[in-house]
Amino acid sequence: GENVEQHPSTLSVQEGDSAVIKCTYSDSASNYFPWYKQELGKRPQLIIDIRSNVGEKKDQRIAVTLNKTAKHFSLHITETQPEDSAVYFCAAASGGSYIPTFGRGTSLIVHP
Amino acid sequence: SQTIHQWPATLVQPVGSPLSLECTVEGTSNPNLYWYRQAAGRGLQLLFYSVGIGQISSEVPQNLSASRPQDRQFILSSKKLLLSDSGFYLCAWSDQGLTEAFFGQGTRLTVV
Repeated sequence: GENVEQHPSTLSVQEGDSAVIKCTYSDSASNYFPWYKQELGKRPQLIIDIRSNVGEKKDQRIAVTLNKTAKHFSLHITETQPEDSAVYFCAAASGGSYIPTFGRGTSLIVHP
Repeated sequence: SQTIHQWPATLVQPVGSPLSLECTVEGTSNPNLYWYRQAAGRGLQLLFYSVGIGQISSEVPQNLSASRPQDRQFILSSKKLLLSDSGFYLCAWSDQGLTEAFFGQGTRLTVV
């Protein structure tokens, strides 16, 4: 089955800095890569996703890149703000099972 | 619009007692349904998923079981809880295919 590794487990940045979270996956058949944000005590919610037919996708301060050859994808947050503080999860899914496999999460702390 | 309801929000149960967590989805039909457990520092662990009524797949051997008696109802159960069953349980749904998963509010289960 799919295995998703996510790094780092904790990331601490100053407000205004950029943050990068990296994930690798094992199943070359995976072609859907969503990212979820989970604020303290709340449910995970999708913030951005990318499919294997594109290499990069942007939404305001958030961008995701995908390298299918190397089987890794990354989340980039620019101009971080304290409200970006949360746990971020990457996931991978394939057309075969549709079941997303999640990484272990990254706790992002943005210091004002 | 679609909504997902999960209850209760918190639950304290003694060791050896039974468990029943319920999740219902409104506004869609034939969704994929999931139960995840989130332990501190371990991300989102998929416990069960279902692609249709009566169809349950288990990802990990454990003390829990799941059932889908109706198209939009997913139940997580245990006959006898263990201390190790404590955690944050999340129900989720998605449309068929590679799409976003929507999570319920979660149930914080503490087994004492």
